Amino acid sequence: DTGVSQDPRHKITKRGQNVTFRCDPISEHNRLYWYRQTLGQGPEFLTYFQNEAQLEKSRLLSDRFSAERPKGSFSTLEIQRTEQGDSAMYLCASSPPLGGRSYEQYFGPGTRLTVT
Amino acid sequence: AQKVTQAQTEISVVEKEDVTLDCVYETRDTTYYLFWYKQPPSGELVFLIRRNSFDEQNEISGRYSWNFQKSTSSFNFTITASQVVDSAVYFCALSEPNNNDMRFGAGTRLTVKP
Repeated sequence: DTGVSQDPRHKITKRGQNVTFRCDPISEHNRLYWYRQTLGQGPEFLTYFQNEAQLEKSRLLSDRFSAERPKGSFSTLEIQRTEQGDSAMYLCASSPPLGGRSYEQYFGPGTRLTVT
Repeated sequence: AQKVTQAQTEISVVEKEDVTLDCVYETRDTTYYLFWYKQPPSGELVFLIRRNSFDEQNEISGRYSWNFQKSTSSFNFTITASQVVDSAVYFCALSEPNNNDMRFGAGTRLTVKP
């Protein structure tokens, strides 16, 4: 399977703990996105990478959130001092380099975070 | 500012019925892209279609068809002869070339009953 993969699929943590999620994009895709989806809502954009550069961050991405893509391949999203309001599905997507299909984003299965 | 509205929160149909999911969008850009995604109970968003703003041709893919009308800022999705496997949440989304975020609607939950 050469789709976007995310790990873990589920994470339960206690309030105040730090968590880290990983995303592996489709191999030839140089652009990577993180989204958050809460129950009954559509995904909301968090941040965007082109290769290893983080080019855009949403205002939703508070200072407790940090994302990296050190070698331009996989990416990690860390949440420090988790709060119950952080409970959501965290989705990763990737898209190919600029060209005909570059505006199509392909999503992974998501990591469901529950903060107790 | 970009905005996507899916006014139908939930739709329930009986198998073999046709169903149309509505999507209305707002954007100031003249160039933009519209998408439909399917999110089955497993949770993964499945890409269905992309439509460029300069291409108003409607598209048909099997039982799926899409009606793009710039005059009404709508990009509606019709499933013909619905099947139980079509049950999912469907999202309409919009992106603009100068923005890297994709703006999603709130989704329409479609239930197809046997």
